[in-house]
Amino acid sequence: RKEVEQDPGPFNVPEGATVAFNCTYSNSASQSFFWYRQDCRKEPKLLMSVYSSGNEDGRFTAQLNRASQYISLLIRDSKLSDSATYLCVADNTGFQKLVFGTGTRLLVSP
Amino acid sequence: NAGVTQTPKFQVLKTGQSMTLQCAQDMNHNSMYWYRQDPGMGLRLIYYSASEGTTDKGEVPNGYNVSRLNKREFSLRLESAAPSQTSVYFCASSEFLSGSANEKLFFGSGTQLSVL
Repeated sequence: RKEVEQDPGPFNVPEGATVAFNCTYSNSASQSFFWYRQDCRKEPKLLMSVYSSGNEDGRFTAQLNRASQYISLLIRDSKLSDSATYLCVADNTGFQKLVFGTGTRLLVSP
Repeated sequence: NAGVTQTPKFQVLKTGQSMTLQCAQDMNHNSMYWYRQDPGMGLRLIYYSASEGTTDKGEVPNGYNVSRLNKREFSLRLESAAPSQTSVYFCASSEFLSGSANEKLFFGSGTQLSVL
């Protein structure tokens, strides 16, 4: 089982739609979680950290469910510019500090 | 604001050739990392340097060596390239070793490497 698993998608949504991605992690000792955004052929960039109490940044909301070991990302009022791959990241208290998921691809269409 | 700069952007090697990927950051960060990204595999850590003068293996170190030349620069060397090393390589830096909730990785723009 992969340490961080994501549905690769693609998720095809129209502009203005609400879309949600889930990501599961296997290491119950993980403490830090993040969502990164990666545009095609570009470097990943931090979108937001995920806190235990959940957090919101404009149209983006991240939630953590420790009992079920998953994190989620909700995007409201999708924009064309939201089209990208979203990488789920969890820390691993082992020798590798951060574990990246393979990403979920989002395509927002007019 | 350059951030993290890595060179070259593209490289084609023949099996057995050697090369060094260069990375430099101008944010006065302590920690630096080399990742590779392959389709369906996600980003995997090759080597990292928690601070100047230290380097440690990540998940996939075989076939690679690194040098933390100074606080700014962290290079990745392929001594004898193999087709399995065809990948996109990203250098990254963070203020401190990643893992805390407030740490943020800054990535370079990547190097597309093909080994024939």
